Amino acid sequence: EAGVAQSPRYKIIEKRQSVAFWCNPISGHATLYWYQQILGQGPKLLIQFQNNGVVDDSQLPKDRFSAERLKGVDSTLKIQPAKLEDSAVYLCASSTRPDSREQYFGPGTRLTVT
Amino acid sequence: AQKVTQAQTEISVVEKEDVTLDCVYETRDTTYYLFWYKQPPSGELVFLIRRNSFDEQNEISGRYSWNFQKSTSSFNFTITASQVVDSAVYFCALSEGYKLSFGAGTTVTVRA
Repeated sequence: EAGVAQSPRYKIIEKRQSVAFWCNPISGHATLYWYQQILGQGPKLLIQFQNNGVVDDSQLPKDRFSAERLKGVDSTLKIQPAKLEDSAVYLCASSTRPDSREQYFGPGTRLTVT
Repeated sequence: AQKVTQAQTEISVVEKEDVTLDCVYETRDTTYYLFWYKQPPSGELVFLIRRNSFDEQNEISGRYSWNFQKSTSSFNFTITASQVVDSAVYFCALSEGYKLSFGAGTTVTVRA
């Protein structure tokens, strides 16, 4: 079974530029999560989708971050414009169920904002 | 407020020593789950163990074991006879409903 796929693995941009990350969850997984992991910290949930609907985006900085999962499969997370403090690893996870008892994580995208 | 606290920032051991990682959590829910995840240098979070709040039985799985005590809100994790491949960051996490909250992680370095 293929795992959660993410691309790109690494991205370096200048502040005020835009960037987008892509995630393809495990086939059949209805729930998809985006996490932000700042260096030295644990992952923090940004947004959770159930199929193509948003379950929780309370910690998503909506003035600059957006995410979509239009067809209920893969998802895109965008930052526009980026700030220095957005430097982090962005992890995507998926699950067969909306509770968080079983999540499978992708390899992450490491973003550096200069 | 921090829901999951991992007091140890870094632990360094010599191969074959045992490593115990501490985790203290905070929740008002009666039903919750606790996890340990491993994050090797490659970056992917790897699921290790899960316990629900109704099962305080401590178990051993291979070289991993855990000690869950609701009375002290602790969920400690032990690696027995550590190996170099165990070097990673280990995260304790708490699941309340659909939300997963992670601790800050403990970096484990196993020296040959």
